[in-house]
Amino acid sequence: DIQMTQSPSSLSASVGDRVTMTCRASQGISNYLAWYQQRLGKVPKLLIYAASTLQSGVPSRFSGSGSGTDFTLTITSLQPEDVATYYCQKYDSAPLTFGGGTKVEIK
Amino acid sequence: QVQLQESGPGLVKPSETLALTCTVSGGSISSGSYYWSWIRQPAEKGLEWIGRIYPSGSTNYNPSLKSRVTISVDTSKNQFSLKLSSVTAADTAVYYCAGVGVNWAFDYWGQGTLVTVSS
Repeated sequence: DIQMTQSPSSLSASVGDRVTMTCRASQGISNYLAWYQQRLGKVPKLLIYAASTLQSGVPSRFSGSGSGTDFTLTITSLQPEDVATYYCQKYDSAPLTFGGGTKVEIK
Repeated sequence: QVQLQESGPGLVKPSETLALTCTVSGGSISSGSYYWSWIRQPAEKGLEWIGRIYPSGSTNYNPSLKSRVTISVDTSKNQFSLKLSSVTAADTAVYYCAGVGVNWAFDYWGQGTLVTVSS
């Protein structure tokens, strides 16, 4: 089965900073990759699908890139409301594995 | 707008079977070729996909749970269900039901229900 590895596991940045996190698949998954945001105590929210397509209503400071095995989620200007854990998930075929998450905090 | 709601016991005894139901409203569970999933999250840990079911009844399960999991669908009630047998404390988690949208990612989520395994 394909494993999804996210890095770093946590990061701390200042408001306005550019933040980048990565997700690596152990085998190629084309662009069948989604990113979710989960604020503390809340339900996960879909941010990006097909590796780079922004879900409707998601601020444009979020962007995704990548294909195959290496993917990136970028927040161009970190805002206080972006404090959350971010998960990647493959959906090319079962099992639909999630990465371990990247926790984003404000410095 | 599709909405999902989990229901079921919040406390299950060790070795017994956990049973949850997800009711879908605002749309038909049989729409298109979309599928419905169960996902869980132990406290302070990440998301774990449990399995999925298509309206036809076809299923796929997480290999790590496959021997203990059954997901079923009742299209007449617009519901799908999860059964997890022989539970232990390690199965204590918030359980979410989720559905994919036209983008094939999990667009729709229930609010989650905490299930505690304890005697």
